[in-house]
Amino acid sequence: GAVVSQHPSRVICKSGTSVKIECRSLDFQATTMFWYRQFPKQSLMLMATSNEGSKATYEQGVEKDKFLINHASLTLSTLTVTSAHPEDSSFYICSAREGAGGAGQPQHFGDGTRLSIL
Amino acid sequence: LAKTTQPISMDSYEGQEVNITCSHNNIATNDYITWYQQFPSQGPRFIIQGYKTKVTNEVASLFIPADRKSSTLSLPRVSLSDTAVYYCLVVVNQAGTALIFGKGTTLSVSS
Repeated sequence: GAVVSQHPSRVICKSGTSVKIECRSLDFQATTMFWYRQFPKQSLMLMATSNEGSKATYEQGVEKDKFLINHASLTLSTLTVTSAHPEDSSFYICSAREGAGGAGQPQHFGDGTRLSIL
Repeated sequence: LAKTTQPISMDSYEGQEVNITCSHNNIATNDYITWYQQFPSQGPRFIIQGYKTKVTNEVASLFIPADRKSSTLSLPRVSLSDTAVYYCLVVVNQAGTALIFGKGTTLSVSS
């Protein structure tokens, strides 16, 4: 079945560091990928929609200069948390849907990246 | 986008059938209903998706009444490993549309 790979699975770094998270669709092409953030005991919150070859669409309240998204190919989207601070510590998850993107195919999620900023 | 409402938590014992009901009163004609399972520190995993009536796969069944204003996920003979959060979502049938997650149902299975 369709697999979405996310790397790294865990990052611990100092405040002020920029961190890049990769999301790859391993056996399908994804025109659109999605980035979510999840705090402990809470649900997933959509941060942005990543579109191959164009600018990402950010949800209200998400700083686009803070969370840089690049979707340079049909199988790779990256999220860079710039100048990370402790409040950016969270579980970041990406997802992608194979095919044309309609409801006929389910979305597949990566296993997430646990980001801890000291 | 149709809002979903499901119980915050449910408890069960191994071997029992578990039914989790979700309401989505404002579902649109072209929307689908999908369910995901999430374990701690993992991404959500697709369980099942349907449009109407009944859908069954190797892990679950999904029952959707004719008015489609609710749906029920049925997990037969749960085990301890089924302890997880289960999310009911309405899928907009449009390319490039993200899934919007509600609070989900935390299912706890005991021996």
